[in-house]
Amino acid sequence: TQLLEQSPQFLSIQEGENLTVYCNSSSVFSSLQWYRQEPGEGPVLLVTVVTGGEVKKLKRLTFQFGDARKDSSLHITAAQPGDTGLYLCAGVTNAGGTSYGKLTFGQGTILTVHP
Amino acid sequence: NAGVTQTPKFRILKIGQSMTLQCTQDMNHNYMYWYRQDPGMGLKLIYYSVGAGITDKGEVPNGYNVSRSTTEDFPLRLELAAPSQTSVYFCASSPTGGYTFGSGTRLTVV
Repeated sequence: TQLLEQSPQFLSIQEGENLTVYCNSSSVFSSLQWYRQEPGEGPVLLVTVVTGGEVKKLKRLTFQFGDARKDSSLHITAAQPGDTGLYLCAGVTNAGGTSYGKLTFGQGTILTVHP
Repeated sequence: NAGVTQTPKFRILKIGQSMTLQCTQDMNHNYMYWYRQDPGMGLKLIYYSVGAGITDKGEVPNGYNVSRSTTEDFPLRLELAAPSQTSVYFCASSPTGGYTFGSGTRLTVV
Protein backbone atom coordinates (compact mmCIF):
# COMPACT_ATOMS: atom_id res chain seq x y z
CA THR A 1 0.00 0.00 0.00
CA GLN A 2 1.36 3.40 -0.98
CA LEU A 3 1.30 6.00 1.78
CA LEU A 4 1.55 9.77 1.68
CA GLU A 5 2.46 11.52 4.91
CA GLN A 6 1.39 15.13 5.12
CA SER A 7 2.72 17.58 7.68
CA PRO A 8 1.77 19.47 9.65
CA GLN A 9 -1.78 18.25 10.28
CA PHE A 10 -2.84 21.61 11.67
CA LEU A 11 -1.50 25.09 10.99
CA SER A 12 -2.83 28.27 12.60
CA ILE A 13 -1.14 31.50 11.53
CA GLN A 14 -1.68 35.25 11.27
CA GLU A 15 -2.46 37.03 8.05
CA GLY A 16 0.71 37.96 6.20
CA GLU A 17 2.82 35.06 7.44
CA ASN A 18 4.42 32.48 5.16
CA LEU A 19 3.91 28.73 5.50
CA THR A 20 4.97 25.43 3.98
CA VAL A 21 3.09 22.14 3.88
CA TYR A 22 5.00 18.93 3.19
CA CYS A 23 3.94 15.71 1.53
CA ASN A 24 6.30 12.71 1.76
CA SER A 25 6.26 9.12 0.60
CA SER A 26 8.59 6.17 0.19
CA SER A 27 6.90 5.43 -3.15
CA VAL A 28 7.47 7.00 -6.54
CA PHE A 29 4.46 8.61 -8.19
CA SER A 30 3.78 9.40 -11.84
CA SER A 31 2.66 12.85 -10.79
CA LEU A 32 1.37 14.63 -7.72
CA GLN A 33 -1.67 16.80 -7.26
CA TRP A 34 -2.65 19.36 -4.65
CA TYR A 35 -6.27 20.02 -3.74
CA ARG A 36 -8.01 22.55 -1.53
CA GLN A 37 -11.23 21.67 0.23
CA GLU A 38 -13.69 23.97 2.00
CA PRO A 39 -16.25 22.77 4.57
CA GLY A 40 -19.23 21.03 2.97
CA GLU A 41 -17.60 20.86 -0.43
CA GLY A 42 -15.50 18.42 -2.40
CA PRO A 43 -11.77 18.94 -3.01
CA VAL A 44 -10.85 21.30 -5.84
CA LEU A 45 -7.72 20.70 -7.89
CA LEU A 46 -5.07 23.42 -7.51
CA VAL A 47 -2.16 22.00 -9.49
CA THR A 48 -0.57 18.89 -10.95
CA VAL A 49 3.21 18.51 -10.93
CA VAL A 50 4.62 15.88 -13.25
CA THR A 51 8.39 16.17 -13.64
CA GLY A 52 10.90 15.55 -10.85
CA GLY A 53 12.20 18.92 -9.62
CA GLU A 54 9.30 20.80 -11.17
CA VAL A 55 8.21 24.07 -9.58
CA LYS A 56 4.82 25.64 -10.34
CA LYS A 57 3.51 28.95 -9.12
CA LEU A 58 -0.13 29.91 -8.72
CA LYS A 59 -0.21 33.53 -7.53
CA ARG A 60 1.05 33.33 -3.91
CA LEU A 61 1.22 29.52 -3.93
CA THR A 62 4.39 27.69 -4.97
CA PHE A 63 4.34 23.93 -5.54
CA GLN A 64 7.45 21.78 -5.83
CA PHE A 65 7.84 18.13 -6.83
CA GLY A 66 10.89 16.36 -5.44
CA ASP A 67 13.65 15.21 -7.79
CA ALA A 68 12.86 11.55 -7.03
CA ARG A 69 9.09 12.12 -7.41
CA LYS A 70 8.47 10.87 -3.87
CA ASP A 71 7.74 14.16 -2.13
CA SER A 72 6.23 17.57 -2.67
CA SER A 73 5.73 20.86 -0.89
CA LEU A 74 3.25 23.71 -0.98
CA HIS A 75 4.48 27.15 0.08
CA ILE A 76 2.10 30.05 0.61
CA THR A 77 3.51 33.56 0.76
CA ALA A 78 1.74 36.29 2.74
CA ALA A 79 -1.22 34.11 3.72
CA GLN A 80 -4.69 35.62 3.70
CA PRO A 81 -7.87 34.57 5.53
CA GLY A 82 -9.24 33.38 2.19
CA ASP A 83 -6.51 30.72 2.13
CA THR A 84 -8.17 28.98 5.08
CA GLY A 85 -9.13 25.40 4.27
CA LEU A 86 -8.04 21.78 4.10
CA TYR A 87 -5.09 21.16 1.78
CA LEU A 88 -4.64 17.66 0.40
CA CYS A 89 -1.82 16.19 -1.58
CA ALA A 90 -2.47 13.18 -3.79
CA GLY A 91 -0.02 10.92 -5.58
CA VAL A 92 -1.01 9.59 -8.99
CA THR A 93 -0.17 6.03 -9.99
CA ASN A 94 -0.69 5.13 -13.63
CA ALA A 95 -1.65 1.50 -14.10
CA GLY A 96 0.46 -0.40 -16.59
CA GLY A 97 1.25 2.56 -18.80
CA THR A 98 -2.39 3.41 -19.38
CA SER A 99 -3.74 6.92 -19.10
CA TYR A 100 -5.82 5.96 -16.07
CA GLY A 101 -4.49 7.35 -12.80
CA LYS A 102 -5.42 6.23 -9.30
CA LEU A 103 -4.97 8.75 -6.49
CA THR A 104 -3.48 8.10 -3.07
CA PHE A 105 -4.31 10.95 -0.70
CA GLY A 106 -2.40 12.32 2.24
CA GLN A 107 -4.38 12.90 5.43
CA GLY A 108 -4.56 16.64 4.84
CA THR A 109 -3.44 19.87 6.47
CA ILE A 110 -6.04 22.14 8.07
CA LEU A 111 -4.89 25.72 7.59
CA THR A 112 -6.45 28.60 9.52
CA VAL A 113 -5.36 32.14 8.70
CA HIS A 114 -6.44 34.72 11.27
CA PRO A 115 -7.07 38.34 10.24
CA ASN B 1 -22.15 22.42 -16.91
CA ALA B 2 -23.20 20.87 -13.60
CA GLY B 3 -19.98 18.82 -13.27
CA VAL B 4 -20.39 15.98 -10.76
CA THR B 5 -23.73 15.83 -8.95
CA GLN B 6 -24.25 13.74 -5.83
CA THR B 7 -27.51 13.01 -4.05
CA PRO B 8 -28.54 13.05 -1.30
CA LYS B 9 -26.39 15.58 0.58
CA PHE B 10 -27.26 14.16 3.99
CA ARG B 11 -28.73 10.86 5.16
CA ILE B 12 -29.23 9.05 8.45
CA LEU B 13 -29.52 5.26 8.25
CA LYS B 14 -30.31 2.68 10.86
CA ILE B 15 -27.98 -0.30 11.26
CA GLY B 16 -28.85 -2.97 8.70
CA GLN B 17 -30.66 -0.65 6.29
CA SER B 18 -29.65 -0.28 2.67
CA MET B 19 -29.31 2.74 0.44
CA THR B 20 -27.87 3.94 -2.85
CA LEU B 21 -25.76 7.06 -3.19
CA GLN B 22 -26.26 8.60 -6.59
CA CYS B 23 -23.53 10.17 -8.73
CA THR B 24 -23.93 11.72 -12.18
CA GLN B 25 -21.41 13.58 -14.32
CA ASP B 26 -22.08 15.53 -17.52
CA MET B 27 -18.48 15.92 -18.72
CA ASN B 28 -18.32 12.63 -20.66
CA HIS B 29 -15.42 11.44 -18.48
CA ASN B 30 -14.56 7.77 -18.75
CA TYR B 31 -13.09 7.45 -15.26
CA MET B 32 -15.22 7.67 -12.15
CA TYR B 33 -14.43 7.02 -8.49
CA TRP B 34 -15.99 6.73 -5.07
CA TYR B 35 -14.06 7.87 -2.02
CA ARG B 36 -14.87 8.10 1.64
CA GLN B 37 -13.41 10.78 3.88
CA ASP B 38 -12.99 10.30 7.60
CA PRO B 39 -11.56 12.99 9.92
CA GLY B 40 -7.76 13.04 9.86
CA MET B 41 -7.62 10.17 7.37
CA GLY B 42 -7.67 11.86 3.98
CA LEU B 43 -9.73 10.13 1.29
CA LYS B 44 -9.83 6.37 0.77
CA LEU B 45 -10.79 4.83 -2.58
CA ILE B 46 -13.80 2.50 -2.38
CA TYR B 47 -14.45 1.58 -6.03
CA TYR B 48 -13.55 2.96 -9.40
CA SER B 49 -14.59 2.55 -13.02
CA VAL B 50 -12.63 3.11 -16.22
CA GLY B 51 -15.71 3.06 -18.43
CA ALA B 52 -19.28 1.84 -18.78
CA GLY B 53 -19.57 -1.79 -17.76
CA ILE B 54 -16.15 -1.88 -16.05
CA THR B 55 -15.67 -1.51 -12.30
CA ASP B 56 -12.97 -2.53 -9.86
CA LYS B 57 -12.28 -2.50 -6.13
CA GLY B 58 -10.27 0.20 -4.47
CA GLU B 59 -8.64 0.23 -1.06
CA VAL B 60 -11.77 -0.16 1.14
CA PRO B 61 -14.52 -1.96 -0.86
CA ASN B 62 -16.03 -4.16 1.87
CA GLY B 63 -19.70 -3.41 2.50
CA TYR B 64 -20.18 -1.55 -0.78
CA ASN B 65 -21.15 -2.33 -4.36
CA VAL B 66 -21.17 -0.30 -7.56
CA SER B 67 -22.43 -0.51 -11.11
CA ARG B 68 -21.68 1.52 -14.24
CA SER B 69 -24.31 1.00 -16.89
CA THR B 70 -23.76 4.38 -18.55
CA THR B 71 -20.87 6.83 -18.86
CA GLU B 72 -22.79 9.40 -16.82
CA ASP B 73 -23.91 7.42 -13.75
CA PHE B 74 -21.93 5.61 -11.06
CA PRO B 75 -24.14 4.72 -8.08
CA LEU B 76 -22.73 3.33 -4.83
CA ARG B 77 -24.80 0.77 -2.93
CA LEU B 78 -24.60 0.07 0.80
CA GLU B 79 -26.33 -3.22 1.53
CA LEU B 80 -26.27 -3.66 5.33
CA ALA B 81 -25.31 -0.36 6.87
CA ALA B 82 -22.91 -0.48 9.81
CA PRO B 83 -21.71 2.32 12.14
CA SER B 84 -18.23 2.00 10.57
CA GLN B 85 -19.74 3.32 7.34
CA THR B 86 -20.50 6.68 8.94
CA SER B 87 -18.47 9.03 6.76
CA VAL B 88 -18.56 11.63 4.02
CA TYR B 89 -18.68 10.06 0.57
CA PHE B 90 -17.31 11.77 -2.51
CA CYS B 91 -17.79 10.82 -6.12
CA ALA B 92 -15.27 12.06 -8.66
CA SER B 93 -14.65 11.83 -12.37
CA SER B 94 -11.68 12.51 -14.60
CA PRO B 95 -10.67 12.40 -18.24
CA THR B 96 -7.04 11.44 -17.70
CA GLY B 97 -5.81 14.23 -15.47
CA GLY B 98 -7.17 16.08 -12.47
CA TYR B 99 -10.27 14.90 -10.73
CA THR B 100 -13.55 16.80 -10.48
CA PHE B 101 -15.30 16.01 -7.20
CA GLY B 102 -18.94 16.25 -6.27
CA SER B 103 -19.93 18.10 -3.10
CA GLY B 104 -20.34 14.92 -1.08
CA THR B 105 -22.93 12.90 0.84
CA ARG B 106 -22.71 12.96 4.63
CA LEU B 107 -23.94 9.59 5.90
CA THR B 108 -24.58 8.72 9.53
CA VAL B 109 -25.40 5.14 10.56
CA VAL B 110 -27.04 4.83 13.98
